[in-house]
Amino acid sequence: KQEVTQIPAALSVPEGENLVLNCSFTDSAIYNLQWFRQDPGKGLTSLLLIQSSQREQTSGRLNASLDKSSGRSTLYIAASQPGDSATYLCAVSPRSNDYKLSFGAGTTVTVRA
Amino acid sequence: NAGVTQTPKFQVLKTGQSMTLQCAQDMNHEYMSWYRQDPGMGLRLIHYSVGAGITDQGEVPNGYNVSRSTTEDFPLRLLSAAPSQTSVYFCASSYTGSGQGFYEQYFGPGTRLTVT
Repeated sequence: KQEVTQIPAALSVPEGENLVLNCSFTDSAIYNLQWFRQDPGKGLTSLLLIQSSQREQTSGRLNASLDKSSGRSTLYIAASQPGDSATYLCAVSPRSNDYKLSFGAGTTVTVRA
Repeated sequence: NAGVTQTPKFQVLKTGQSMTLQCAQDMNHEYMSWYRQDPGMGLRLIHYSVGAGITDQGEVPNGYNVSRSTTEDFPLRLLSAAPSQTSVYFCASSYTGSGQGFYEQYFGPGTRLTVT
């Protein structure tokens, strides 16, 4: 059974600092990995999707890396802003014919103005 | 596009009552799913569907039923609500690329359910 872990559970940084969020998974036989953002009381919004053949994916200030062999992904957010305050979740997709996403519990980020 | 919509937004049930949570998407996605989110536990998959007439169980299916008669709709039924089903329920949809795995997942805003 795939286990997905996100450490730390919470993170507080001053505005302008770069954020580094970690996601680890136990089974390296994944199809892709997604990072999501969740604001309080809201649904999830997809940020980045990395296919298993990719090493990284970028969108604006966000960069996600993937190291399948070590079972790790890292989400970098450059020059954090108070609007980046949210919970960030990663989810791992298994083989292409298995549609059961496994989610981490998330990292709650607070960016202090 | 409305994306993924869920109704109701909030619901309070008494133990033993039944209800249906509605989910609809207008993106012609083959894949739809239901998750529950509980504090400190992340999202757990309840049931999913890869097309009309095709459903399967996820990680925590007990106490829930689903059916999918159309591409657009995927309702979740609680037959006899229990306090352990108090949670936030999310519906999600995605393309599946003809068996090539997930594309980007789109989530609805959630239904907050309390069972007393």
